[in-house]
Amino acid sequence: TQLLEQSPQFLSIQEGENLTVYCNSSSVFSSLQWYRQEPGEGPVLLVTVVTGGEVKKLKRLTFQFGDARKDSSLHITAAQPGDTGLYLCAGLRDSSYKLIFGSGTRLLVRP
Amino acid sequence: EADIYQTPRYLVIGTGKKITLECSQTMGHDKMYWYQQDPGMELHLIHYSYGVNSTEKGDLSSESTVSRIRTEHFPLTLESARPSHTSQYLCASSHRGSSEKLFFGSGTQLSVL
Repeated sequence: TQLLEQSPQFLSIQEGENLTVYCNSSSVFSSLQWYRQEPGEGPVLLVTVVTGGEVKKLKRLTFQFGDARKDSSLHITAAQPGDTGLYLCAGLRDSSYKLIFGSGTRLLVRP
Repeated sequence: EADIYQTPRYLVIGTGKKITLECSQTMGHDKMYWYQQDPGMELHLIHYSYGVNSTEKGDLSSESTVSRIRTEHFPLTLESARPSHTSQYLCASSHRGSSEKLFFGSGTQLSVL
């Protein structure tokens, strides 16, 4: 059973379109992170959210942590080919010091 | 920019060989991790360490072993490689008290024939 479910699993869009990817769980997390991984490389941390309802912006990327701290979303405005990659959410539970990774959303932005 | 290095980047070997995947970081991080990842899939934690002489098995059972003799070095060893070990292996580190913000290496893509 996957503790963190990401949707969609795969997304192919045209350059300039907007998109949202989701990270959902039935468990509460003390914090949640988003990583982007390009082919042949390790994941790179984009953002960490720690407060229920928190919204963080990173240029064209907007991250939101759910009020109940069970889910998160990543919204990309005017997607560019450079946004292509595997987006992974990862959560940290209060009872553990180990990150739990989601299944990932593979994004392809076509020029 | 993260300073964590993995070697080799790619490794193709025959069944039964012993291999060691190297991971080093120059950030002085206490915590280090090994993850296994199949193409485009989630990461599975196979080993972690919270400091020198501390190693623990992760959530995914693995036949590999690790050691942490120095803070900066966290090698992973497979005594007898099998085709089922074919995967990407990612090393990561984090600073104590950093809410587990991980810095990843570029990974080792292992293929066992």
